[in-house]
Amino acid sequence: GAGVSQSPSNKVTEKGKDVELRCDPISGHTALYWYRQSLGQGLEFLIYFQGNSAPDKSGLPSDRFSAERTGGSVSTLTIQRTQQEDSAVYLCASSSGAGTEAFFGQGTRLTVV
Amino acid sequence: TQLLEQSPQFLSIQEGENLTVYCNSSSVFSSLQWYRQEPGEGPVLLVTVVTGGEVKKLKRLTFQFGDARKDSSLHITAAQPGDTGLYLCAGPITGGGNKLTFGTGTQLKVEL
Repeated sequence: GAGVSQSPSNKVTEKGKDVELRCDPISGHTALYWYRQSLGQGLEFLIYFQGNSAPDKSGLPSDRFSAERTGGSVSTLTIQRTQQEDSAVYLCASSSGAGTEAFFGQGTRLTVV
Repeated sequence: TQLLEQSPQFLSIQEGENLTVYCNSSSVFSSLQWYRQEPGEGPVLLVTVVTGGEVKKLKRLTFQFGDARKDSSLHITAAQPGDTGLYLCAGPITGGGNKLTFGTGTQLKVEL
C-alpha cells in the first residue's frame, strides 16, 4: 500500500484477554517501530526492528508484551493478559533506514475494560 | 538512554501570537526531526535538521538546530488555529542502532 496500515483501528477488550495488533509497513522499508501513546502525550518507544538484525526490545514494559516481524514486512504486537494500564494508542511506523524519516500509521486505539 | 525533553509541555495562545517550542538533550544527535500530530492521526514529519547551527523555514515555521547538535527549537510566527496539534521532536540514537527516539511532546492550542 501507499502508507503504513494498522489494524484494527479500534479494539476494546476485557481485562485478562490477549490482543494482537497488526502493522503493514511501507513496502521496502527496512526499519519498523512500535510506540505507545497515552492521551495527548509523547511517544513511548516499545520495540524496533531493523532489517535482519535482532530487534531492540528495550522499551517493552513487561514480559506480557511481545512483537514479531515476519519476512521483514508485516509486524504483530501481542499483549497477553491485558491490564487497564495497557489502554493507549499503539502506533507503528516504518522508515527506509535507521534514523531516517518515519512514516506512521493511524494507530490502534486499545481500550481494556 | 538518550532523552529529548520538550518545553513547554502545554501551550495555549491566541491567534496571531508568536511562540517557541524547545527540544533539549544532553546527548549529541546527528540530526533532529520535527513532527506534528493531529487528533486521531499519526505524527507527520515537518522538517529534518542535520547541520549544527542550521536554520530552516517552512512558511511561518522556523526550525533551528543548536551549534552543538544537542538541542533544537521551533518558532511559529503569527499562529493560526490550523497550527493546533502535538509537536514532537525526534532523533536517531547513535550507538543504539540509530533507532528513532521521540521527545516528550508539546501540545499547542491556538484559539480565535
